[in-house]
Amino acid sequence: AQKITQTQPGMFVQEKEAVTLDCTYDTSDPSYGLFWYKQPSSGEMIFLIYQGSYDQQNATEGRYSLNFQKARKSANLVISASQLGDSAMYFCAMREDNAGNMLTFGGGTRLMVKP
Amino acid sequence: ETGVTQSPTHLIKTRGQQVTLRCSSQSGHNTVSWYQQALGQGPQFIFQYYREEENGRGNFPPRFSGLQFPNYSSELNVNALELDDSALYLCASSLDRGRVRGYTFGSGTRLTVV
Repeated sequence: AQKITQTQPGMFVQEKEAVTLDCTYDTSDPSYGLFWYKQPSSGEMIFLIYQGSYDQQNATEGRYSLNFQKARKSANLVISASQLGDSAMYFCAMREDNAGNMLTFGGGTRLMVKP
Repeated sequence: ETGVTQSPTHLIKTRGQQVTLRCSSQSGHNTVSWYQQALGQGPQFIFQYYREEENGRGNFPPRFSGLQFPNYSSELNVNALELDDSALYLCASSLDRGRVRGYTFGSGTRLTVV
């Protein structure tokens, strides 16, 4: 089974509107972390937001928030007030604390912001 | 503070050759992880180095090897290159094996094998 699933290969959003990028995960490890990264065409992975499995509140970082639903094993990224510069690939990733220190990535979602 | 620097940015190699990719970790970070990202896919973990020792390895053959130096910079070596090794190779540095949140990635090395 896939550890990280991103079901939206591509998404369009109008500038200044909010958009939600979906991520579901699969783990039996009680201690894990979930990450979202942005990858522009330059290739660099830019860290956006982190959610620990024991965090009580949903993470927020500026225009980014993570809608963490632990029972459903989902960790959706919400971008508010989209900007043209938000157009990029977005990857959800997980680190399982009892499975080494690697990140497991999903297949990504390409977000395109329309002016 | 400086970020993660990778070199070279691009290179082209012939099947069967060997290649060395380099990564300078972010200041204060003692762990380096390497990832392979094939076109149109998410990155896949190759291995991680913590304080100069290999500290975890993904599903990659032994012809993928690495080193970490006392200044925490790292090299990824790939022997006997195959066409499927064509990919973006990303280096990520972190503090204490990544258990502290925050992996900082470089811009990658794009390797083409012909």
